[in-house]
Amino acid sequence: DTGVSQDPRHKITKRGQNVTFRCDPISEHNRLYWYRQTLGQGPEFLTYFQNEAQLEKSRLLSDRFSAERPKGSFSTLEIQRTEQGDSAMYLCASSAPGQGYEQYFGPGTRLTVT
Amino acid sequence: DQQVKQNSPSLSVQEGRISILNCDYTNSMFDYFLWYKKYPAEGPTFLISISSIKDKNEDGRFTVFLNKSAKHLSLHIVPSQPGDSAVYFCAASALGGGADGLTFGKGTHLIIQP
Repeated sequence: DTGVSQDPRHKITKRGQNVTFRCDPISEHNRLYWYRQTLGQGPEFLTYFQNEAQLEKSRLLSDRFSAERPKGSFSTLEIQRTEQGDSAMYLCASSAPGQGYEQYFGPGTRLTVT
Repeated sequence: DQQVKQNSPSLSVQEGRISILNCDYTNSMFDYFLWYKKYPAEGPTFLISISSIKDKNEDGRFTVFLNKSAKHLSLHIVPSQPGDSAVYFCAASALGGGADGLTFGKGTHLIIQP
C-alpha cells in the first residue's frame, strides 16, 4: 500500500494558462475525491467519483474546472484559463468499499497562479 | 455559512497534559464525524471517527466525544506528546456510505510545549 499520490507537487503558472493535475488513489479504493484548500481554511469538496462515474460536483467547481477518471483508476483535474483566485492546494483522497466515511488524502498539489 | 466550526484557531498545551480540541456543527443531517491531523506540506491524515449513534470512541491516546443535542464534538489527546503538534481538522459527512464530500472546519493549530 503506497498511499495516495499526486503529481506534480508544485505548479506555478501564468494567469490564462491551462493546468492539469493527476491523482493515483490507493489501488483497491473505488471512490476518489478532489478538494481545494486555501490558506487558513479547511479542505473544500470539489467533486467525487465512484469507479469511473462522476457522481457529485460542488458549486465551487466552475465551468473552467473538469475532472475525469477514465478507467476508474487514476484521475485528472484540469483548470482552464487559470485565474489568481485558483491559487490553492488541490488535494485528492480515496476510500474503500465498505469504509466509505474514512477518506485517505494524498500530499496535494500546490498551484500558484501569477 | 460555516456548517462545521472550530472556534479556536490555536491551542497550546504542555507535554504530558490533556489536549482538548472542540468542534461545533449546524447541519442536523450530519451522521458521521472525523478528525484529521495535518503537518505542513502534507495531506491530512485520518485520526479517529465517530458515528452519530455513539457518544464516544476511543483509540489509544485519542478519544472523540459526541454530544448530538448540543451539536458538539471534542477530541481528547492524553497524554499529549511533541509529535502531536499539528493542525487538527474536524470533518462531517451527511450521507451514508461516504457518497459525498466531507465538510471540514477551519482547523485548530495544536502546539505541544516541552
